[in-house]
Amino acid sequence: NAGVTQTPKFRILKIGQSMTLQCTQDMNHNYMYWYRQDPGMGLKLIYYSVGAGITDKGEVPNGYNVSRSTTEDFPLRLELAAPSQTSVYFCASSYVGISTKNIQYFGAGTRLSVL
Amino acid sequence: AQKITQTQPGMFVQEKEAVTLDCTYDTSDPSYGLFWYKQPSSGEMIFLIYQGSYDQQNATEGRYSLNFQKARKSANLVISASQLGDSAMYFCAYSGSARQLTFGSGTQLTVLP
Repeated sequence: NAGVTQTPKFRILKIGQSMTLQCTQDMNHNYMYWYRQDPGMGLKLIYYSVGAGITDKGEVPNGYNVSRSTTEDFPLRLELAAPSQTSVYFCASSYVGISTKNIQYFGAGTRLSVL
Repeated sequence: AQKITQTQPGMFVQEKEAVTLDCTYDTSDPSYGLFWYKQPSSGEMIFLIYQGSYDQQNATEGRYSLNFQKARKSANLVISASQLGDSAMYFCAYSGSARQLTFGSGTQLTVLP
């Protein structure tokens, strides 16, 4: 019952460092998503993918990059980390077809601090 | 762009009582879905309930029900017989033609013993 798995769970970065947040799903979902959640706020979409090889920007893509080489994996890359990227990051996946019932299933989140 | 509004930053309810969490949305999509998620203090996002815009009946899942009023563009979550474990942040979310979720700002529910 793995579902959506994110690593690491916690990370502290120094300003200017880079890192990759890993996300894997085992539900054969076509869509995958990356969100950030700032304290006391809702989730904001960073990037999403509709299938292997296809990605698109969400509401807050600046400072991030993604790739999707397989159905299962959707890593998020932070280049030149800044304090404004301190947040909790969630990966999610869903099966999207004709219906609007595209329930997204979330990973446990990665808590990132940039100091 | 779609907009989701949750006007109650915090709510209190006595254990075993029912509580309604408000959610309104603004859209021009002809077909859409509305979702509620629960986020306990541990941080994970848990799917609770879904309502499609063309569904004839209000959705129910155990103690959760969705009071869907399409003309008013509201999709309120009703939790019956509240339990201490219901204390959490609750998010309403919208999905339209773009098949993305737009989240509201959330309501922090506290269940009092």
